[in-house]
Amino acid sequence: GNSVTQMEGPVTLSEEAFLTINCTYTATGYPSLFWYVQYPGEGLQLLLKATKADDKGSNKGFEATYRKETTSFHLEKGSVQVSDSAVYFCALPGIQGAQKLVFGQGTRLTINP
Amino acid sequence: NAGVMQNPRHLVRRRGQEARLRCSPMKGHSHVYWYRQLPEEGLKFMVYLQKENIIDESGMPKERFSAEFPKEGPSILRIQQVVRGDSAAYFCASSLFRDTRWYTGELFFGEGSRLTVL
Repeated sequence: GNSVTQMEGPVTLSEEAFLTINCTYTATGYPSLFWYVQYPGEGLQLLLKATKADDKGSNKGFEATYRKETTSFHLEKGSVQVSDSAVYFCALPGIQGAQKLVFGQGTRLTINP
Repeated sequence: NAGVMQNPRHLVRRRGQEARLRCSPMKGHSHVYWYRQLPEEGLKFMVYLQKENIIDESGMPKERFSAEFPKEGPSILRIQQVVRGDSAAYFCASSLFRDTRWYTGELFFGEGSRLTVL
């Protein structure tokens, strides 16, 4: 089945710093790719997604580009805020066309003022 | 609230007791997924259900764990004879199934049920 490997955390940055969280995947075909975010004490919520190669997903200042050449979907933000402190998960369908998602191990991000 | 509803939010059990976790999917969603998140770990898939059917239970422990999604009412994840290692956050998600040509893969998560086994 498909799998995803995420950059290990935790990551600590100062406010307004540039953020990159790496995600690489192994998959059959070209599945949709996702970033989910989990704020403290809450469930996961979809942050952004890309459904085909070279697509760029974006939301709340975050971006990720689906790169099939490097099988990557790195999450970036140009200027982070304290409110971005959360755990970030990269995900993709377990097998092609499947409904269930498999998640990376998560990267805990802490932003200091 | 039209989101995925889970209850209880927090549950404390002693070793050997039973835990029942409930999940009501988003309105109109017919697919439910259960995931487990152990402390400081990622989400691990447990089971995927449609109404009255278990579609994929490849992530469920073989013993003590069961899940159902009846025709009426919420989905239930049941853990019998709990042990300390069952302490975790259990998340339910739902999706609106479409033809795979239109599949988007987005899951909508509840806020989780946090089980503590003493």
